[in-house]
Amino acid sequence: QVQLVESGGGVVQTGTSLRLSCEASKFTFSSYAMHWVRQAPGKGLEWVATISFDGNDQKYADSVKGRFTISRDNSKNTLYLQMNSLRPEDRGIYHCIKSSHCVGDDCYPGWFGPWGQGTLVTVSS
Amino acid sequence: EIVLTQSPATLSLSPGERATLSCRASQSVSRYLAWYQQKPGQTPRLLIYDASDRATGIPARFSGSGSGTDFTLTISSLEPEDFAVYFCQQRRSWPLTFGGGTEVEIK
Repeated sequence: QVQLVESGGGVVQTGTSLRLSCEASKFTFSSYAMHWVRQAPGKGLEWVATISFDGNDQKYADSVKGRFTISRDNSKNTLYLQMNSLRPEDRGIYHCIKSSHCVGDDCYPGWFGPWGQGTLVTVSS
Repeated sequence: EIVLTQSPATLSLSPGERATLSCRASQSVSRYLAWYQQKPGQTPRLLIYDASDRATGIPARFSGSGSGTDFTLTISSLEPEDFAVYFCQQRRSWPLTFGGGTEVEIK
């Protein structure tokens, strides 16, 4: 069964940085696009970023473009989200997600398959 | 950006009843629409993808329909474990977007 374990969240001040990590296991990590989706407490879902299986292409929500960078290390089966210039509205649980229910090129982005439990980011003003 | 509007915001039903949830897109998403279920304290789970295909392990009482801009998630007979929040999501174009959710609550 796919396992995705996020880490790196915490309480930080406005304007500072955090780097989230997601360790993946029990699937061939290097074969799948990966995503970050966030959810503010008690709120809806917001897509943040997606990276292709080989790391050569990335897409971002407008709300984070220029501040956040998604990356991956396929040799370590790990996905990252570098978050700079954090704002109070970036607060939420950040979930790492594997692309699923798709074939080939359709898997970029594919669908949001197994979700990690998430890591909480809180930004104080 | 494609905006997804879900209705109603809350659906109050009893176990055994049929639930019909709607998701309307601001422009055509073809059939690139999915539905997710989120129970309290849990992560979302993919139910339906490509508008009408059930994800692995999803019971047959869940069905999806629609194409273009209008989509429906139907739960044929509500089980106690189906009371949750449901989100639709499109991947027709970037940015990927979600609807605001429909809560199915026990009447």
